[in-house]
Formats: sequence, C-alpha cells, structure tokens
Amino acid sequence: AQSVTQLGSHVSVSEGALVLLRCNYSSSVPPYLFWYVQYPNQGLQLLLKYTTGATLVKGINGFEAEFKKSETSFHLTKPSAHMSDAAEYFCAVSPPYGNNRLAFGKGNQVVVIP
Amino acid sequence: KAGVTQTPRYLIKTRGQQVTLSCSPISGHRSVSWYQQTPGQGLQFLFEYFSETQRNKGNFPGRFSGRQFSNSRSEMNVSTLELGDSALYLCASSWQVPNEKLFFGSGTQLSVL
Repeated sequence: AQSVTQLGSHVSVSEGALVLLRCNYSSSVPPYLFWYVQYPNQGLQLLLKYTTGATLVKGINGFEAEFKKSETSFHLTKPSAHMSDAAEYFCAVSPPYGNNRLAFGKGNQVVVIP
Repeated sequence: KAGVTQTPRYLIKTRGQQVTLSCSPISGHRSVSWYQQTPGQGLQFLFEYFSETQRNKGNFPGRFSGRQFSNSRSEMNVSTLELGDSALYLCASSWQVPNEKLFFGSGTQLSVL
C-alpha cells in the first residue's frame, strides 16, 4: 500500500517569500509522484510529476520539486510567492505500473499574506 | 479542446435515496477515475475504468458503483445514501494507463440531508 504525509494543513507565506510544502511518501516500489493544485470551486490541476530520470522536476507557475529516495520525500518549492498562489496543494503517489490509482495527502491550504 | 465535464454541479438528496453522477472525459481519453473528497478524509480513490472495464476499485462499500460506456463517458451510482456520503465527487480522465497526467473535472457537490 502507498501513502503520503503532508504536515501542516494551513501554511501562511508572505508575498515574495519562499514557498515550501513538505511531502513524504511510503511505497514498496519506486513510485510515481505528483503535486496537484486546487483553486476554490475547481478540480485539481497537475503542477508537476516525477516518474523516472532527473530528480529535480520543474512544473508550471514557477514551482519545482525534488525527489529524494533516501528521505522518501518530494517537497514542493517556489522561490517567490505570488498572491495567485493561494490555493490548496496536494501531494500524491501512484505505483509505476498498471493503474491510475492515486493516493493523496491531506493537502496544504496556502495563504499568501500581502 | 473541452475539458472533463461533470454533471450535475450540485445535488441535494435525502438519506435512503440513490443518485447517479455523470462524467464526460476529454475527447480521446479512455481512462476515467473517480475520487471522493471530504474535509475529514481528504481525497479517496473510488474506482477506475478503461475501455469499459473496471480496472481498480477503492475501499468503498458496494453501495458505490460505476460504469463506463463505449464513448468513454462514465457514471457513478450511490444507492441508499447516508449522511456521510456528502462530499465533492471528482472525475479524472487520461488517455492511457498507467497515468502520466490526470485531468480533473470541477466535481459534483453532493449534499445528503
């Protein structure tokens, strides 16, 4: 079974400051890892994904994440927060074979302070 | 290209009733997955269909069922509704399995009174 841990349901960040959202996963096989963003009253949108290859992954809207196998982590960062980054962010894991079954973390609600 | 379309957007039902939710995937996508989102449990996988076949099922009671049609459109059904079934139900599509990118609809907000 696979699982994801995201600590801190609410994260406040000042506009222009670093955004750091932590994600740790548990998986018995090398996983696929994802970060999704959800804006109010909308579905989820893929920010970035790691499948194989380069461990530093760049996504949309200036976000990036680094896969660290030894730490079983996939933390999401953005150097400078913008007001439009206020949303809920979900880390997710899936096995690398056979299905589209994602296990999501509980999510981080990001508030950007002007 | 139209995105994933879910209907209806909002639904209010009473305990004991049954409900059917609909999902139209992006044109050309053959995989449809369903997720339940609640404040307490977060996002939980319900089931996944590919070419009209259920490939995976999550840990939900048999009251939750689904199907996929030949045009890839999918429906999910919940029978004998309970208060705890109140949730946002999200549908996601992709063109292949395994997934490299899921495209999510805006969801159906179900309230059970």
